[in-house]
Amino acid sequence: GAVVSQHPSRVICKSGTSVKIECRSLDFQATTMFWYRQFPKQSLMLMATSNEGSKATYEQGVEKDKFLINHASLTLSTLTVTSAHPEDSSFYICSASSFRAAHNQPQHFGDGTRLSIL
Amino acid sequence: GQSLEQPSEVTAVEGAIVQINCTYQTSGFYGLSWYQQHDGGAPTFLSYNALDGLEETGRFSSFLSRSDSYGYLLLQELQMKDSASYFCAVIHYNQGGKLIFGQGTELSVKP
Repeated sequence: GAVVSQHPSRVICKSGTSVKIECRSLDFQATTMFWYRQFPKQSLMLMATSNEGSKATYEQGVEKDKFLINHASLTLSTLTVTSAHPEDSSFYICSASSFRAAHNQPQHFGDGTRLSIL
Repeated sequence: GQSLEQPSEVTAVEGAIVQINCTYQTSGFYGLSWYQQHDGGAPTFLSYNALDGLEETGRFSSFLSRSDSYGYLLLQELQMKDSASYFCAVIHYNQGGKLIFGQGTELSVKP
């Protein structure tokens, strides 16, 4: 089955630091990647949709300048949390889909990144 | 708007059968997915319904009725390891099939 790798799995850093999270599709070409955020005991909230070679589409209420997304290749998307603060502490999860699969197949998720800002 | 409703908690005993319902208010979606998430882990795919009817995958089955805006996940022969959160999610037509998740159902399996 499809494999999505996410790195790092856990980050602990000081307030004001920028943190980059990578999401890779290992065995297929991901034309679209999705970034989600999940707070404790809550559901997954879509932050943005990342399409290879174009600008990401952000959901309402998500700050584009705060959460920078780059999808430079068909196997890699990155999310950078700029100048992170304690309220950005959360579980960030990516998922990936291919063009052929996007509309009738389930997405597969990375293992997630637990971000803790001190 | 788009919304999916699930019960927040369900408790059952080992060996039992449990059904987790999902009602939705949305349109223009390809299908309904179900995901399992253990504490601290990422969601793992369980089942998907593109068409109305029942899909069976081992101990797990999922059902969709578009006319009733309703679906469910059925878990049979419950095991302790099935204790987790379960999310229904719709796959939308636009933006390459983005997923919109329900709030999740926390299933507790008791001995």
